[in-house]
Amino acid sequence: AQKVTQAQTEISVVEKEDVTLDCVYETRDTTYYLFWYKQPPSGELVFLIRRNSFDEQNEISGRYSWNFQKSTSSFNFTITASQVVDSAVYFCALRGIQGAQKLVFGQGTRLTINP
Amino acid sequence: EAQVTQNPRYLITVTGKKLTVTCSQNMNHEYMSWYRQDPGLGLRQIYYSMNVEVTDKGDVPEGYKVSRKEKRNFPLILESPSPNQTSLYFCVVGEGLGNQPQHFGDGTRLSIL
Repeated sequence: AQKVTQAQTEISVVEKEDVTLDCVYETRDTTYYLFWYKQPPSGELVFLIRRNSFDEQNEISGRYSWNFQKSTSSFNFTITASQVVDSAVYFCALRGIQGAQKLVFGQGTRLTINP
Repeated sequence: EAQVTQNPRYLITVTGKKLTVTCSQNMNHEYMSWYRQDPGLGLRQIYYSMNVEVTDKGDVPEGYKVSRKEKRNFPLILESPSPNQTSLYFCVVGEGLGNQPQHFGDGTRLSIL
């Protein structure tokens, strides 16, 4: 069975601090895909990044960066110099080759950036 | 522009009164799915459809029905809603297998009193 764990339920930091959101996953598939989504207070889900299991390169996009480590089954997300607009719930998700495209989501991490 | 349209966006209703949440897409994709989001549980799949007239249960199908009579529409039906179905619902549309991101509707917030 596939599983995604986001152990941090809530995180609160002061603006401009760096913050890392943890994501640990379980799967028996040898090929799989990992995603991060952002859910602002308005409620919609905003796609942030996808990662293939065979591509372990880390990625940086502006203030956002992702660290994929297959050896520890982790796909962590770091926000550098956080801003109030980063306040949201963040979801990590996994999709395997099997399972008819089902996305398996973690529980979500509520991130609050205080001015 | 890729669109996944859900209606209604918000609904407050009472136990036992049948309701339907509609979902339509303009991308001609085969795969459509419904998820519900609950605090502390993330999003969980209710039902999915791989094509017209092809539907199957997800992880939490109890109390829900779906139909896929045409490619663009995938309604979620609650025949006899109960308070434990109070949740935020998302319709999701997929391009196909692989690493392509799926398209989410804006969500429907249901409150069953």
